[in-house]
Amino acid sequence: DTGVSQDPRHKITKRGQNVTFRCDPISEHNRLYWYRQTLGQGPEFLTYFQNEAQLEKSRLLSDRFSAERPKGSFSTLEIQRTEQGDSAMYLCAGQGNHYEQYFGPGTRLTVT
Amino acid sequence: AQTVTQSQPEMSVQEAETVTLSCTYDTSESDYYLFWYKQPPSRQMILVIRQEAYKQQNATENRFSVNFQKAAKSFSLKISDSQLGDAAMYFCAYRIGATNKLIFGTGTLLAVQP
Repeated sequence: DTGVSQDPRHKITKRGQNVTFRCDPISEHNRLYWYRQTLGQGPEFLTYFQNEAQLEKSRLLSDRFSAERPKGSFSTLEIQRTEQGDSAMYLCAGQGNHYEQYFGPGTRLTVT
Repeated sequence: AQTVTQSQPEMSVQEAETVTLSCTYDTSESDYYLFWYKQPPSRQMILVIRQEAYKQQNATENRFSVNFQKAAKSFSLKISDSQLGDAAMYFCAYRIGATNKLIFGTGTLLAVQP
């Protein structure tokens, strides 16, 4: 167990609906990363936070995606107007001063 | 741009035997980190081993070791005395600069036969 939790573990939604995922790293993780993993592929970087500041966003993160990390603790990732192409596993990872990333179990999103 | 290539989509090994998973990468940086992550079915991705590029000595963690060939940009993972619990998807990853974001390969699915 890495200590990083994600909620929900699974989400099924209809196309066009909004969804929000949550990631809870451990308190020592001053950095938090979001990745997306599609079937048969490795995770792809979406965005990351240094404490509460969002420092980089991938081109994969369209305008329908938004992420926050209020107070530098938990983080949320919201997808508006979901599309079938958004179906994937969304992973978050926390990183402390040791420079290693610890992953949560992921949220599997299915858009029907 | 940095890329990571894993050319073996699937591998199989007998229990107690040794298996080597391949990974190559491309970068113009001289100092970087490489990682192997393990993702068991429906379970969290966990770090197996890491290698700092400035270190010539290959990293070792119990039954896991790497063969790091910097000039060839090769970073293979050797699993000795394979166990049933080693069955998983293995990802090679490269860490980029100040952001520390990871670039992953496409993974190698390892099956361990009893």
